[in-house]
Amino acid sequence: DQQVKQNSPSLSVQEGRISILNCDYTNSMFDYFLWYKKYPAEGPTFLISISSIKDKNEDGRFTVFLNKSAKHLSLHIVPSQPGDSAVYFCAASAKIGETSGSRLTFGEGTQLTVNP
Amino acid sequence: NAGVTQTPKFQVLKTGQSMTLQCAQDMNHEYMSWYRQDPGMGLRLIHYSVGAGITDQGEVPNGYNVSRSTTEDFPLRLLSAAPSQTSVYFCASSYSGTGVNSPLHFGNGTRLTVT
Repeated sequence: DQQVKQNSPSLSVQEGRISILNCDYTNSMFDYFLWYKKYPAEGPTFLISISSIKDKNEDGRFTVFLNKSAKHLSLHIVPSQPGDSAVYFCAASAKIGETSGSRLTFGEGTQLTVNP
Repeated sequence: NAGVTQTPKFQVLKTGQSMTLQCAQDMNHEYMSWYRQDPGMGLRLIHYSVGAGITDQGEVPNGYNVSRSTTEDFPLRLLSAAPSQTSVYFCASSYSGTGVNSPLHFGNGTRLTVT
């Protein structure tokens, strides 16, 4: 079963406007959520994260919102820039056990295109 | 600072062949992992390791083996390649697990085609 879902495969916005990327999850044991950004032919790079005990985290133009009751998180980019065009992955972390550490589960990704 | 280095960048195998994808990190990270990326499916965890000598299975471990004899290296072995293993493979590491203040650092991937 897909525990982390990004229902929008693609999103197109104009430069200077807000980009909103959405992510839903089903596992209540997730305690930490992250967003990664990926350019073609490169590995994903960490963008921003949020602990399950918070509902908002901001870093410059990027803000992540967490709604635990709805099991939903979103990434807001304001203002959007052409260099933000990339695939964005939502990810969620859960502890597996005392000795097995933790695991990160990724969504399918959303291709963001910011038009000049 | 090299970070996470994966070799080779590209590989073509015939069905039934075996090979090892190499991954090395120079950040003294305890946690290392392998993911595969397929269209429409995001990144799926194959195997991971919380430290030298310790490995565990992820979501899609079948057909793959790993070992962790040193902190730096985490090779992924395909025992008998199948067309279903055609994918882009990413190695990632972190200081400690995948929790707070320990985001994964990814390599640039190995694109594998099995014919």
